[in-house]
Amino acid sequence: EPEVTQTPSHQVTQMGQEVILRCVPISNHLYFYWYRQILGQKVEFLVSFYNNEISEKSEIFDDQFSVERPDGSNFTLKIRSTKLEDSAMYFCASSADRNSNQPQHFGDGTRLSIL
Amino acid sequence: SQQGEEDPQALSIQEGENATMNCSYKTSINNLQWYRQNSGRGLVHLILIRSNEREKHSGRLRVTLDTSKKSSSLLITASRAADTASYFCATGGGNKLTFGTGTQLKVEL
Repeated sequence: EPEVTQTPSHQVTQMGQEVILRCVPISNHLYFYWYRQILGQKVEFLVSFYNNEISEKSEIFDDQFSVERPDGSNFTLKIRSTKLEDSAMYFCASSADRNSNQPQHFGDGTRLSIL
Repeated sequence: SQQGEEDPQALSIQEGENATMNCSYKTSINNLQWYRQNSGRGLVHLILIRSNEREKHSGRLRVTLDTSKKSSSLLITASRAADTASYFCATGGGNKLTFGTGTQLKVEL
């Protein structure tokens, strides 16, 4: 069964450094998402992306964050200048359709640790 | 915003028993979804129930939805140790999902 893959599984970065998290969505999916989960807390929506532009973003997704689909397969999340509070699990998801009755398929996440 | 809140926060049962988890939300919905998360892994979609449905089954899973009470329940029958995971309800869809706080289920042998 096709799946969403994320790399790296764990990223350790110094505060203030830039970090890029990578995702390969399911190949025929058109809608892409990033979520994060701070340890012990809810999974929170960050951003959705379709047709090479952001469809919706949350308050968390400030100017330090950006997303990109640099080629036909990858979908990346960049944090420009990381802060301690960016430490979390970051999940990528994709869906075939934006129809609200379509499930989103999640990757296993990248654990981001900011030192 | 639509928001799911699950209870209980944690549930420990013996293998073979049934597990019931509840979810409440605040606003009108088109559907409600349940996801499972094994420790250290991503979220796996389990089942989706539309707002005009009251009950749905998938294998050992049974989901109910009461839109008048803005609540849903997930029942896992004949639980197995492999069912040990966190279970989340989620509302929304389309551009984003809003997840609840989750129920940590532990199924002991």
